[in-house]
Amino acid sequence: AQTVTQSQPEMSVQEAETVTLSCTYDTSESNYYLFWYKQPPSRQMILVIRQEAYKQQNATENRFSVNFQKAAKSFSLKISDSQLGDTAMYFCAFYFGNEKLTFGTGTRLTIIP
Amino acid sequence: GAVVSQHPSWVICKSGTSVKIECRSLDFQATTMFWYRQFPKQSLMLMATSNEGSKATYEQGVEKDKFLINHASLTLSTLTVTSAHPEDSSFYICSARDRSASGGRPDTQYFGPGTRLTVL
Repeated sequence: AQTVTQSQPEMSVQEAETVTLSCTYDTSESNYYLFWYKQPPSRQMILVIRQEAYKQQNATENRFSVNFQKAAKSFSLKISDSQLGDTAMYFCAFYFGNEKLTFGTGTRLTIIP
Repeated sequence: GAVVSQHPSWVICKSGTSVKIECRSLDFQATTMFWYRQFPKQSLMLMATSNEGSKATYEQGVEKDKFLINHASLTLSTLTVTSAHPEDSSFYICSARDRSASGGRPDTQYFGPGTRLTVL
């Protein structure tokens, strides 16, 4: 079974700074997908970014980028120029085949004005 | 973009009553819908996977007789919490997978806004 670990329960950063959220996972598969989801206070889950394991290039979406280290099974999320609206819970998730998403325990990120 | 709605957004009920939560895909057809439960400050826990026209697949430890799931159409799945008790109080979230996406691509799984259930 796959597992996803987020070792930072809470983080805070000043507005406009850069922050990196860490995620590690365990799997014996070679082709899979990784995701970062954001859950703001409204509780609506929002897909932030996705990465296919077969792609070596790190995914980027505007201010959000990932550092995907397949051999190390690491998938960190970098948020540049952080904004107050980035305050949320962030979940790392793993997906393989046609099965369910496996979520990490989450990191609560607070952006300080 | 694809939108998933849930109704109601919050509900308060008395212990022993049943509560039904609806999950609808508004502008796409969903072959598969997922029901999650989330406790405060915790991650999402998958309860069951429902496929249109077939019985739901429940995760280990989830009581299928207590949490009834029906996926009667490609746009609607319902979760009924039967004989609810205070320990069933939680935040319930559904998600839907877009049927049009080839191979059931996971990034086409869209989440509803959730339903907060409080059982008195």
